[in-house]
Amino acid sequence: GAGVSQSPRYKVTKRGQDVALRCDPISGHVSLYWYRQALGQGPEFLTYFNYEAQQDKSGLPNDRFSAERPEGSISTLTIQRTEQRDSAMYRCASSLERTHPGNTIYFGEGSWLTVV
Amino acid sequence: QKEVEQDPGPLSVPEGAIVSLNCTYSNSAFQYFMWYRQYSRKGPELLMYTYSSGNKEDGRFTAQVDKSSKYISLFIRDSQPSDSATYLCAMSGAVEYGNKLVFGAGTILRVKS
Repeated sequence: GAGVSQSPRYKVTKRGQDVALRCDPISGHVSLYWYRQALGQGPEFLTYFNYEAQQDKSGLPNDRFSAERPEGSISTLTIQRTEQRDSAMYRCASSLERTHPGNTIYFGEGSWLTVV
Repeated sequence: QKEVEQDPGPLSVPEGAIVSLNCTYSNSAFQYFMWYRQYSRKGPELLMYTYSSGNKEDGRFTAQVDKSSKYISLFIRDSQPSDSATYLCAMSGAVEYGNKLVFGAGTILRVKS
């Protein structure tokens, strides 16, 4: 597609429920990233993939968070047993190449999660 | 102390002013320095990208990196109301960070017509 597409754009869920956030990267982009952005803060790294391989998940806050990209394209970030502190904007990003740290990455408009 | 420090503002300037936005950082291994612009309710978009120290100019925008001081700047000349946004600095390149970007908190800029 023309840009990184995320769904849902807004999600309200009750504490304890599981949520799945979807990311469809720019066509042909090898690397896919998940970031979390709190209000008034910059994006904070969660995890990233090259093709279908999860290269780094050191930013995932705890084992309730997981991500997958089974076919090297669409990715899903899953949060189990949600807590109020999980409320934030979750942003997906993608880049064309996989190894260069200075690659341009393109962000989606994000999924705003509210846990009540 | 955060790895990347950025004054959140807001910074309010009249149209046509020169704007200076800055970040400081603590990890001397960072090699790639970026500025992102984020409009309200939108994702960040890359504005400028610089490798190592030096200056880079693109139209009304100039990015400066001073690795000896661990200080980066973005200058906007002839600022326009359309420049009103949040400006995020980001950096990467330290071996331990792999492909991660480390962001500052962002500075809110308001350009008044």
